[in-house]
Amino acid sequence: EPEVTQTPSHQVTQMGQEVILRCVPISNHLYFYWYRQILGQKVEFLVSFYNNEISEKSEIFDDQFSVERPDGSNFTLKIRSTKLEDSAMYFCASRGYEKLFFGSGTQLSVL
Amino acid sequence: AQSVTQLDSQVPVFEEAPVELRCNYSSSVSVYLFWYVQYPNQGLQLLLKYLSGSTLVKGINGFEAEFNKSQTSFHLRKPSVHISDTAEYFCAVSDQWAAGNKLTFGGGTRVLVKP
Repeated sequence: EPEVTQTPSHQVTQMGQEVILRCVPISNHLYFYWYRQILGQKVEFLVSFYNNEISEKSEIFDDQFSVERPDGSNFTLKIRSTKLEDSAMYFCASRGYEKLFFGSGTQLSVL
Repeated sequence: AQSVTQLDSQVPVFEEAPVELRCNYSSSVSVYLFWYVQYPNQGLQLLLKYLSGSTLVKGINGFEAEFNKSQTSFHLRKPSVHISDTAEYFCAVSDQWAAGNKLTFGGGTRVLVKP
């Protein structure tokens, strides 16, 4: 089965630093997403992306967050100035006809 | 607004016993329902989905779920579990299933299968 690939699997950063989480969606998919899961809490939608623009975003996705598809294969989530509460598992997903495929996640730890 | 409640945070079960994971949702309009499984150190994998049609949905690995509109439930069942079914299971809902629409997840149920 095709896979969504996320790198790195773990990222540790200092509060206030910028981080970029990377994802390679499935090649013929057109819709891309970021979700996150804070430890012990629900998986939460952050943003969806189509045709090089954001389709929908949650209230979590504030000005500190941005997404980009820089080169037609990668899909990135940038957090400009990380806060302690940004520590979470971040999942990338891409969508085919009916099925949403998730990556294995990047565990972000903000110290 | 949509919400999903998974009533059990953890379910211990013996190998070859049946298991049922409960999921209730609230949604003001049409509803599309999903169950995902997350094995340790892996991403979320779709087990099954209800988009329309038969209310009994069969998925991978012997799992099935039944959509009950009157009870706003979508419980997941397996008649006989294996050790390899140890994982976390997430119920999710969407009010549309056009591309770009988001999923709203429940809090997850951790299944521990004991020998």
